Amino acid sequence: DILLTQSPASLAVSLGERATINCKSNQSLLYRSNKRNYLAWYQQKPGQPPKLLIYRASIRESGVPDRFSGSGSETDFTLTINSLQAEDVAVYYCQQCYSSPLTFGAGTKVEIK
Amino acid sequence: QLQLQESGPGLVKPSETLSLTCTVSGGSISIGDDYWGWIRQPPGKGLEWIGTIFRDGSTYYNPSLKSRVTMSVDTSKNQFSLKLTSVTAADTAVYYCTRTFRTGDLGRGYFDYWGQGALVSVSS
Repeated sequence: DILLTQSPASLAVSLGERATINCKSNQSLLYRSNKRNYLAWYQQKPGQPPKLLIYRASIRESGVPDRFSGSGSETDFTLTINSLQAEDVAVYYCQQCYSSPLTFGAGTKVEIK
Repeated sequence: QLQLQESGPGLVKPSETLSLTCTVSGGSISIGDDYWGWIRQPPGKGLEWIGTIFRDGSTYYNPSLKSRVTMSVDTSKNQFSLKLTSVTAADTAVYYCTRTFRTGDLGRGYFDYWGQGALVSVSS
């Protein structure tokens, strides 16, 4: 199984500042045939199901604010939230669909400082 | 707008079978290339992929649960279902049904639509 390690486990960021979340895979998520990285990011607010934010490492899902961005390739990926808003308080998960079984990172809790 | 809704008992006794159904509205599960599936989340913990089913009945299960999981699809009702046998307290979780945006074979993809989740507790 592919192991995804997220860091940090939690972080507190001031409103308007940047939050950076990392996700490291124990094997490459890059399909060299199509140059696509099979990694997604989700946001989960309390009492709600997760919401898809980013797929293929850097493509924003429709309707997701552009302050959310994803980057990285192969084994190292980053979710950046620019200008953190109060409504961004949530737990963020990365997920790989490079191979089965599909796996998730343990999550990163983002709070307001 | 596609909507998914889980239904089923909220309490199951140890050693018995957990059964959940997901009803899809706003779209048909009998067309398209996407998968349908289940993910669970124990209280206060992370997400675990249970498995995925295609409209033709093809299934892909997480090996960690494969011996106890059965998924099925009923295209006439626009529903798909999950059965998990021999449950224990460790199976207590919120169970989400999802649409999996297909990125490859073997059930691989991203989860772009989610139900609200159904809490299932395992207790005598």
